Amino acid sequence: EVQLVQSGAEVKKPGESLKISCKASGYSFTSYWIGWVRQMPGKGLEWMGIIYPSDSHTIYSPSFQGQVTISADKSISTAFLQWSSLKASDTAMYYCARRNLYGNAGLPDYWGQGTLVTVSS
Amino acid sequence: EIVMTQSPAALSVSPGERATLSCRASQSVSSNLAWFQQKPGQAPRLLIYGASTRATGLPARFSGSGSGTEFTLTISSLQSEDFALYYCQQYYNWPDTFGQGTKLEIK
Repeated sequence: EVQLVQSGAEVKKPGESLKISCKASGYSFTSYWIGWVRQMPGKGLEWMGIIYPSDSHTIYSPSFQGQVTISADKSISTAFLQWSSLKASDTAMYYCARRNLYGNAGLPDYWGQGTLVTVSS
Repeated sequence: EIVMTQSPAALSVSPGERATLSCRASQSVSSNLAWFQQKPGQAPRLLIYGASTRATGLPARFSGSGSGTEFTLTISSLQSEDFALYYCQQYYNWPDTFGQGTKLEIK
């Protein structure tokens, strides 16, 4: 059974760093892209970036380039999303999602349960 | 970045009736359009891809149509479990972008 299990909720102060995780199981971790999606409180969904764990090739959305770092450790089948200096505007739910091929495009077929990040002084 | 606009923002429909949700792209996305359903406290779920292909296991009461810039998701006979948030998403150009969502409510 495919599962993506994310790390738990975080409460941080502005300026602090943070790294959240997404552990995959039930499939070959290196064979599928994994992406991160932000959902701000009461708002819609935004793709932040995607990574191919086999070679760690990463593609960021322009809106998030330079704001976050996406990485993966294939030895532990885990993808990561990290911030070096959090802002209050980073308060959101963050989902990881596996992207599978539908036709010639990658679309998310399995999702993590979400990690709520709250940034407040 | 391609902007996706959904309408209406909220839709009240009675169980058993038909619901029609619309999605417009700021430029042509061909048929590279997907629909997702999200229920409170849950991650989104892929419903439709390629504008009209149902994901595995999706009931036939869900159908998608359209191409280019105008798309529609139709739910032919609403069941209680269908009341949720629905998002369209284009995957023609990176970054893939979502609409702001349509909340389907029980009337």
